[in-house]
Amino acid sequence: QSALTQPRSVSGSPGQSVTISCTGTSSDVGAYNYVSWYQHHPGKAPKLMIYDVNKWPSGVPDRFSGSKSGNTASLTISGLQAEDEADYYCCSYTGSQNLWVFGGGTKLTVL
Amino acid sequence: EVQLVESGGGLVQPGGSLRLSCAASGFTFSDHYMDWVRQAPGKGLEWVGRARNKASRDTTQYAASVKGRFTVSRDDSKNSLYLQMNSLKTEDTAIYYCVRDSKYYYMDAWGKGTTVTVSS
Repeated sequence: QSALTQPRSVSGSPGQSVTISCTGTSSDVGAYNYVSWYQHHPGKAPKLMIYDVNKWPSGVPDRFSGSKSGNTASLTISGLQAEDEADYYCCSYTGSQNLWVFGGGTKLTVL
Repeated sequence: EVQLVESGGGLVQPGGSLRLSCAASGFTFSDHYMDWVRQAPGKGLEWVGRARNKASRDTTQYAASVKGRFTVSRDDSKNSLYLQMNSLKTEDTAIYYCVRDSKYYYMDAWGKGTTVTVSS
């Protein structure tokens, strides 16, 4: 199972919106509605932001939203804030030996 | 508050062994599947392996890249998860994270990680 494909970096100004894409295959992203997104500030524990494509865990603001079309999932962050600057990883269940596959990560810079 | 604290990382020579531990608190450890996920320097995350719970007979599952070399185990009496790593390769150099499975199809809590360096 190859890693999911994410852009290496995205950027936006405070208050703007950004979208991070996550492209997989018909065996992972396209096969299951089990895409999750994680925010990672280096040196800290990664944090679950979205699960099951578009659901929010308790405590995550609804500025973060997820969607999926075919083999590509997306994370949109609206109303950008300085604290959103972090690395973001997508993850998909695969149902195969390699149970989970992650994206390579996207560095979000808030200008 | 859910807490996962990894320990046991360090420097080891190629071919060597290392055992990582993860101390869990703030939730009923025995209810959950638990995973190890790693991040090599400059790379993305990679799922390593899973220990299911007693209801699923404590079975394990591994990524192809570590199968036969790594063993995931758990001790519910100590609220602890372990990763025994044998025949280590330089490409196993990474930060290793202990992760809680949500009981569904996502991972909902992570530790801060412990660093493993495989080098001569």
